[in-house]
Amino acid sequence: ETGVTQTPRHLVMGMTNKKSLKCEQHLGHNAMYWYKQSAKKPLELMFVYNFKEQTENNSVPSRFSPECPNSSHLFLHLHTLQPEDSALYLCASSPNTGGFADTQYFGPGTRLTVL
Amino acid sequence: GESVGLHLPTLSVQEGDNSIINCAYSNSASDYFIWYKQESGKGPQFIIDIRSNMDKRQGQRVTVLLNKTVKHLSLQIAATQPGDSAVYFCAEISSGSARQLTFGSGTQLTVLP
Repeated sequence: ETGVTQTPRHLVMGMTNKKSLKCEQHLGHNAMYWYKQSAKKPLELMFVYNFKEQTENNSVPSRFSPECPNSSHLFLHLHTLQPEDSALYLCASSPNTGGFADTQYFGPGTRLTVL
Repeated sequence: GESVGLHLPTLSVQEGDNSIINCAYSNSASDYFIWYKQESGKGPQFIIDIRSNMDKRQGQRVTVLLNKTVKHLSLQIAATQPGDSAVYFCAEISSGSARQLTFGSGTQLTVLP
């Protein structure tokens, strides 16, 4: 195991639902990341948090709302999603953002299906 | 635009043979490269990295080669084992004040018995 856990592992939701994805890292890292992984597409960086502060938002629609209450926990709040948002959502952590030069440790992901 | 891509989407090798997975990148400003392995149902796992001031780096059974002249990166796996079956993808980090992380789309490696 990588020391990064994600819950739930699978989620099915309707377009009008509100749900949240949770990520927790037990590695003492300072940076956390959300990624979207769609079939046959490269991994897409969504958000970066460093010491609980958001340092990157890669033009992600507002229906995705991240929250980082502390360096060990990261949430992704979802509301009014679209079917094209169905994907594997991966969380990662690293010691520091360090210009992405740190090794990132990934969680197993949440498989999201939007109906 | 700049992109990171893989030459082959799938690769099948016999158990015990060596595997070579290739990656082309187009951003000449990239100075750091990483290879990840992603097994089915799991998140990506760091394998090996290399900085642009090097052209070769070796790990346990894996070697990464960097050819900056043709902007090419490869991952060599020695004595491929069934547990090596996974999707492998590369990532590049561009240098400068606004560093950017870009991932390739991946190559599915299948190890045949």
